[in-house]
Amino acid sequence: QVHLVESGGDVVQPGRSLRLSCAASGFTFRDYGMHWVRQAPGKGLEWVAVISYDGSTKYYADSVKGRFSLSRDNSKNTLFVQMNSLREEDTAIYYCAKGNGESNPGIYYAMDVWGPGTTVIVSS
Amino acid sequence: DIVMTQSPDSLAVSLGERATINCKSSQSVLYSSNNKNYLAWYQHKPGQPPKLLIFWASTRESGVPDRFSGSGSGTDFNLTISGLQAGDVAVYYCQQYYTSPFTFGQGTRLEIK
Repeated sequence: QVHLVESGGDVVQPGRSLRLSCAASGFTFRDYGMHWVRQAPGKGLEWVAVISYDGSTKYYADSVKGRFSLSRDNSKNTLFVQMNSLREEDTAIYYCAKGNGESNPGIYYAMDVWGPGTTVIVSS
Repeated sequence: DIVMTQSPDSLAVSLGERATINCKSSQSVLYSSNNKNYLAWYQHKPGQPPKLLIFWASTRESGVPDRFSGSGSGTDFNLTISGLQAGDVAVYYCQQYYTSPFTFGQGTRLEIK
């Protein structure tokens, strides 16, 4: 069964850093692009970033560019997002999601499997 | 950036009736090389992760009831839910994955009348 589980969410002060992880199982992780999507309290879904199947290509939303960095360890079926210089507006539920296609670079696809999410609260 | 605009923001429909949600993109999401529209629809219920309903604008995800259908091309798209059921109450989002940033619409809240 295809499964994604996020971890690492926490309460942090503005300006601090946090790293989220997403553990994947039930599919060949190295074949798929992976996304992060977030939902702030009372707001809609916001796409955050995507990484290609091999980690060579990454794209970011303007709101996190230069502060967030995606990486993946295909040997451990795990996706990461390093979040630096956190702001109160980064407070959200963070979801990782799998792209639903395998063609190189695996980025330009809808997201067919989602984790349950992990909560990040940025507050002083 | 491509701006995705959904209408209406909220919608109340009677059980068994049809609901239609519109999504417009600020530029075309149709890729001419493969004639595919890079447009997806998601259903999001409170306390759950979003669920993919439709991709390539009109391809139903496996396991999604055929009451859900997607249509449109270029910059104008619709999600239609026929025979509305109580379990369809949710917020529905369109998303383009044609170019980064892969933007979502603002969401449409669907309720039962």
